[in-house]
Amino acid sequence: ELKVEQNPLFLSMQEGKNYTIYCNYSTTSDRLYWYRQDPGKSLESLFVLLSNGAVKQEGRLMASLDTKARLSTLHITAAVHDLSATYFCAGEETSGSRLTFGEGTQLTVNP
Amino acid sequence: DSGVTQTPKHLITATGQRVTLRCSPRSGDLSVYWYQQSLDQGLQFLIQYYNGEERAKGNILERFSAQQFPDLHSELNLSSLELGDSALYFCASSVGAGNVRGYTFGSGTRLTVV
Repeated sequence: ELKVEQNPLFLSMQEGKNYTIYCNYSTTSDRLYWYRQDPGKSLESLFVLLSNGAVKQEGRLMASLDTKARLSTLHITAAVHDLSATYFCAGEETSGSRLTFGEGTQLTVNP
Repeated sequence: DSGVTQTPKHLITATGQRVTLRCSPRSGDLSVYWYQQSLDQGLQFLIQYYNGEERAKGNILERFSAQQFPDLHSELNLSSLELGDSALYFCASSVGAGNVRGYTFGSGTRLTVV
């Protein structure tokens, strides 16, 4: 059974700083997903990482996947307040099977 | 609009009651997934349907049941409700096996049991 762990669970950072959220998973995962959730809102898809070494970037966020280490990272560059949200990583054991989510990282960016 | 429609958005009901949550998947998606999000349990997978058939079960209580209809919309039935059932319930859809479009989530139904 796939297990997904994120750290840190809470992250408070200043605007303009860089930081990385880590996502470890326990068994082989077909794909790794990153989602953003604002309080009380739905899950917004950020990245889908399909293979070892995959790197994707959108604005101030960059995600990468190392399948050998069973590790994905979400790097935040020069944080801004609008990035404050909860970020989830999720894996799927086989394509289309379902997503298993990490606990989420609650990010607060302070001015 | 993600393309996945959930109704109602909010539901307040009393303990012991029964409610039905509805989900219409994104056009072309055959799989529907139900998730429960609560403060203490995080995002928990409940159940998956693919083209009308149950495909996988997660941490779904016996008081809960679901089905997917021929038009591919799905309903999640929650009965004998308890205070602890208060949560956000999300539906997601995907193409299914060979999924290249990923999973798309609806806006959720917030259930409050009083």
